[in-house]
Amino acid sequence: RKEVEQDPGPFNVPEGATVAFNCTYSNSASQSFFWYRQDCRKEPKLLMSVYSSGNEDGRFTAQLNRASQYISLLIRDSKLSDSATYLCVVTSGGSYIPTFGRGTSLIVHP
Amino acid sequence: NAGVTQTPKFQVLKTGQSMTLQCAQDMNHNSMYWYRQDPGMGLRLIYYSASEGTTDKGEVPNGYNVSRLNKREFSLRLESAAPSQTSVYFCASSEAGGVGEAFFGQGTRLTVV
Repeated sequence: RKEVEQDPGPFNVPEGATVAFNCTYSNSASQSFFWYRQDCRKEPKLLMSVYSSGNEDGRFTAQLNRASQYISLLIRDSKLSDSATYLCVVTSGGSYIPTFGRGTSLIVHP
Repeated sequence: NAGVTQTPKFQVLKTGQSMTLQCAQDMNHNSMYWYRQDPGMGLRLIYYSASEGTTDKGEVPNGYNVSRLNKREFSLRLESAAPSQTSVYFCASSEAGGVGEAFFGQGTRLTVV
């Protein structure tokens, strides 16, 4: 079983839609959690960190459920420019190594 | 501030050839990583270096070697390239402790024929 699991999608949604991604992780001792965004043929870039209390950044809301070992990302009022792959990232181990999920593809259409 | 710089951006190798991918960061980060990304597989860790002078294997280390030359530089070497090593390679760095984000280089697109 992969350490970080994501639904690969693609999620194909119209502009203005609300879309949610989930991610599960297997290591209960994981310490830090992130969502990254990766555009086609580009490097991953941090979208937002995920805190136990949940956090919001504009149209994006991330939540962490440690008891169930899952992380979520909610995107409201989707824009065409939100089309990308969203990567769930968990750090664990003594060296806090970032482990990536396979990514969820989002396509926002007019 | 350049962040993480990788070279080369593109490379074509013949089976059996060797090459070194270079990576340098100017953010004074302790931790550096090499990942490969293949379609449908996500990013998989090849090797990492938690601090200057230390390196450790990741999920897919076979066929690769690394050198943490100093705090700034972390290179990845393919001694005898194989077609299975055709991939996109990313170097990344982060603060020690992993509480901060990882910053990535632009990637190296390697094809082994």
